[in-house]
Amino acid sequence: AQSVAQPEDQVNVAEGNPLTVKCTYSVSGNPYLFWYVQYPNRGLQFLLKYITGDNLVKGSYGFEAEFNKSQTSFHLKKPSALVSDSALYFCAVRSPITGKLIFGQGTTLQVKP
Amino acid sequence: NAGVMQNPRHLVRRRGQEARLRCSPVKGHSHVYWYRQLPEEGLKFMVYLQKENIIDESGMPKERFSAEFPKEGPSILRIQQVVRGDSAAYFCASSPPTGGPNEKLFFGSGTQLSVL
Repeated sequence: AQSVAQPEDQVNVAEGNPLTVKCTYSVSGNPYLFWYVQYPNRGLQFLLKYITGDNLVKGSYGFEAEFNKSQTSFHLKKPSALVSDSALYFCAVRSPITGKLIFGQGTTLQVKP
Repeated sequence: NAGVMQNPRHLVRRRGQEARLRCSPVKGHSHVYWYRQLPEEGLKFMVYLQKENIIDESGMPKERFSAEFPKEGPSILRIQQVVRGDSAAYFCASSPPTGGPNEKLFFGSGTQLSVL
C-alpha cells in the first residue's frame, strides 16, 4: 500500500536555526518523493522532488531534502530558517505504477524571530 | 501561461443542494487530480482523471460524488445532496501529458465549500 507519514504536527524553530521536517513513506517500487508548501488560503506550491540520483536534493527557497532508502525517509531541511518559512508543509509519494500522488497529513512549521 | 484555475473560490450551499466545482488545468495539461482538505487534516486524494477517462477514483465516496474531465472544457467535481460533512477545501491539480510519476503537480488555489 502507498502511504506517507509525517510524525510531527508542528515544528517550532527560532529564526536562523536549522530546521528539519520529517517524512517517512511506503510504496511499491522505486519511490517518487515530493515536498510541497501551503501558505494560508493558498494552493500548494512545489518545493522539490526526488526521482533518482543524489540522495540530497536541493529545491526552492533554500530547502533541501535527504532521501534515505534504508530508513524509507525523505526529511526536509534548511540550514537557516526564516520567519517567512512559516507555513504548512506536505510530503508526498507518487506511485511509479499508478501515478497517484498521496500526501502526508502535513506539518506546520512555525519560525519565531 | 495561466496556472490551474479553480472556481468558484468560495461556494455556499444548503443541505440537499448540489455543488459543482470547476477546474481548468494548466494549458496543455491532460491529467487532473482532485483532493479534499479538511481542517486539521492533510490532503486526501479523491480522483485522478485524464481527458474523458477516470484513471483512479479510489478516494471518492461511493455515493453523491462524481468527477469528469471532458474532451473540451474544465474538469468538474460534482457533489449531490450536500451534507455538512462535505464542507472542506477542494483542490485541483494538473500535470503534463507525459503524466510520468516524476512530473510535479501544479495546484489551484482551491474551492472552499461551506454547507449550511
